[in-house]
Amino acid sequence: GAVVSQHPSRVICKSGTSVKIECRSLDFQATTMFWYRQFPKQSLMLMATSNEGSKATYEQGVEKDKFLINHASLTLSTLTVTSAHPEDSSFYICSARDSAGAIETQYFGPGTRLLVL
Amino acid sequence: GQNIDQPTEMTATEGAIVQINCTYQTSGFNGLFWYQQHAGEAPTFLSYNVLDGLEEKGRFSSFLSRSKGYSYLLLKELQMKDSASYLCAPMDSNYQLIWGAGTKLIIKP
Repeated sequence: GAVVSQHPSRVICKSGTSVKIECRSLDFQATTMFWYRQFPKQSLMLMATSNEGSKATYEQGVEKDKFLINHASLTLSTLTVTSAHPEDSSFYICSARDSAGAIETQYFGPGTRLLVL
Repeated sequence: GQNIDQPTEMTATEGAIVQINCTYQTSGFNGLFWYQQHAGEAPTFLSYNVLDGLEEKGRFSSFLSRSKGYSYLLLKELQMKDSASYLCAPMDSNYQLIWGAGTKLIIKP
């Protein structure tokens, strides 16, 4: 299957700082990428849909000024958690849609575990 | 509304067969995906069904009945490494995947 990387895999930061997470599709071009958040023992929660060259579409209840998304190229999307607080601590996972094949499949990055102290 | 229904947890024995059922309701339908998620890791793609019937891929098979809003994932010759959560994710008319909480599968020796 297609490969999606995510960096960093783990980050610990102080409350009030900003954290940037990168998501890259390594062997395919992704016009659409998705950002999810997952709390322990809960289902994936879609935060936003990131489209290359245009503004991201945020799900209801997700603050766009707090979770900044930039999809500047067909292989890279970034999520910046601004002024992070302890309640933002979670597992953040990106996925990239591969539309080149017979089916549109979403491939996931390995995830970024964020801990805000 | 959109809804996914899967058992919360299942237990099976190593070497056996297990079937994980999923019923769904979505706004439109563009196929159904099954993903595997090990604890602490991101989901990995297992299978995709868009037409009715059974798709077989090695030890894993997935079945779909669109008229019934029903799918199942069949795992044969279970191995300890198959212990994970299995996520049924239909794709709606906007090509968005709809996620439930998944089924935690526990394999015992």
